Parts: sequence; structure tokens; C-alpha cells
Amino acid sequence: ETGVTQTPRHLVMGMTNKKSLKCEQHLGHNAMYWYKQSAKKPLELMFVYNFKEQTENNSVPSRFSPECPNSSHLFLHLHTLQPEDSALYLCASSLDRAPMDTEAFFGQGTRLTVV
Amino acid sequence: DAKTTQPNSMESNEEEPVHLPCNHSTISGTDYIHWYRQLPSQGPEYVIHGLTSNVNNRMASLAIAEDRKSSTLILHRATLRDAAVYYCILSGGGADGLTFGKGTHLIIQP
Repeated sequence: ETGVTQTPRHLVMGMTNKKSLKCEQHLGHNAMYWYKQSAKKPLELMFVYNFKEQTENNSVPSRFSPECPNSSHLFLHLHTLQPEDSALYLCASSLDRAPMDTEAFFGQGTRLTVV
Repeated sequence: DAKTTQPNSMESNEEEPVHLPCNHSTISGTDYIHWYRQLPSQGPEYVIHGLTSNVNNRMASLAIAEDRKSSTLILHRATLRDAAVYYCILSGGGADGLTFGKGTHLIIQP
């Protein structure tokens, strides 16, 4: 248990569906992140939020839409995804957005399958 | 971003020490050296981090070369539960978040 909770743990969705992934932390952290981990590939940083403001968007397609209503919650809204978007989506949080002298805490991830 | 180089895989025996190397020859003066590990079907887990001096915690030790161009993660007594992918990451330079590479796949033999 890391203190970062992701729901759901598994999700199967069709290409025309709309779904959302949720991440929650009550660690008092100010920065939250979305990562994507495809099979046999390193983790890819998707989005970074600091004090609810987006500070990084690593050229992620618009079919992925993040939302950060407060420092404790982070969502990833999904619509019209492609089968190649199937992956493990990981949420993380840290005290600062550039965790130089602190650690990041990761959730267990949501295993997404697009059919 | 400063890069790190790690062996793709390493194998060790249970109850023996493990030394996982990492090269980071382009490290800048403000980069911290972080180690994370990822067990199968789980999110990454923080292991240890340091700047210049060697560091110890309950999980591992981090030995940092004097010129900071390389470091070694030391697991003092490996168990089967230490089998994971270990990532060496540099954090600093104003970049947000952590940039993961391919890491080292550590195999522990009973």
C-alpha cells in the first residue's frame, strides 16, 4: 500500500466508448503524474500536474484528457481509443513536481484493454 | 535529459549480496540519483536516492562514485521477493517527473 489508489484496476473498453481512470492520494503531495507502460517498453511520462495546474504534456494525443480538480485527485478521461492504447496506466505523486530530493509514490495501475 | 546506462539483466543467488551498476557519465551537478524497482504486475516502488554521499536505508545501499559518473545499488542479502526490474534515474535539471529507461531485470535463483 503506497498511499496512491487507482481505480479501476482493470478496464476493457470498446473503441467508441468513453471511460475515466481515477487516481487519489492523501499524502499531502502537490504533484501528480500519469504514466503509460506498454508491453516490453519503458514507462512513458504523459502528464504532470503541480498544485492542480498542468505543467507537462508529452505530446499525448487528444483522445487522452487529464483533469486535476484538486491536489488529491487526478483523472484521465478516455475517448475513441485505439487498440494500441492498451497498456498499464500508472498514477504517481510526489511532494514537488521535480522530485529531486524526495520520492515518488506510484499506484498499482489500471490495466486497460481496448477492443 | 542526462541518461543512464544499465545492464539489461543480472542473475544472483538467494541470500547473497547483489550489486547493480549504473553509468551516468553526463550527470550534472544538481542531478540526484534515484533507484526504483518494479515487481511483476505492480507499479514502481522507490528504493533509494542520493546526491554525492553514499546512502543506506532498510532496503538497500547506494554507492556513488567520487566523480558521480556511476553508482551501484547494493542489496545486501537478496531474497526471491527482490526479483524485479530495477531502474536508475537522474532527477534534476528542471525537468518535471521521472524519466524511466529499460532498467535491469534482476533474476534471483533459489
